Amino acid sequence: EDKVVQSPLSLVVHEGDTVTLNCSYEVTNFRSLLWYKQEKKAPTFLFMLTSSGIEKKSGRLSSILDKKELFSILNITATQTGDSAIYLCAVPSGGTSYGKLTFGQGTILTVHP
Amino acid sequence: EPEVTQTPSHQVTQMGQEVILRCVPISNHLYFYWYRQILGQKVEFLVSFYNNEISEKSEIFDDQFSVERPDGSNFTLKIRSTKLEDSAMYFCASRGGQPVGNSPLHFGNGTRLTVT
Repeated sequence: EDKVVQSPLSLVVHEGDTVTLNCSYEVTNFRSLLWYKQEKKAPTFLFMLTSSGIEKKSGRLSSILDKKELFSILNITATQTGDSAIYLCAVPSGGTSYGKLTFGQGTILTVHP
Repeated sequence: EPEVTQTPSHQVTQMGQEVILRCVPISNHLYFYWYRQILGQKVEFLVSFYNNEISEKSEIFDDQFSVERPDGSNFTLKIRSTKLEDSAMYFCASRGGQPVGNSPLHFGNGTRLTVT
């Protein structure tokens, strides 16, 4: 059974801090790893990673994948209160579908002013 | 930016009643999905739908559940006889791309279903 484990489960920081969120996975047929941000409602897409060692970056957020050690990290620099959310990691699992995702339990990030 | 829309945002129903959750996926997407998230738990896959048929479903998606794409824009999830444990946030998602293309899912804002 495919599995995704995220750590820490929750994190409380102050504005300006840098955070690193972790995601480890076990999947039979690895195709990609995705990060989503979930505020009150829909998970919104952040990154899709397919290759080891290539950093993806969007503003203050960046992510990298290590396919040998089966993990990914999501970094957020100079955190802001608007970064407070649940960050979800997911991998496509089963068959050839890219849309059947196995999610981790999420990391709840709280950024205080 | 195009988005997945879901209605209603909140639905309260009595145990044993039928509910239909509605979704309008992004217009040029070909693949449609339902996920659910019980409060405090992981987001879980329910079913995927492509070319007017179910392509994959989870163990959760039993005979009480069905999906339909009644026209060119809507995608619905029906729960025939709701149980208390069906209470959850239900997310619709869609994605474009080829059958083996690696495009991400885009999620709607969800319908919170409360079964009393």
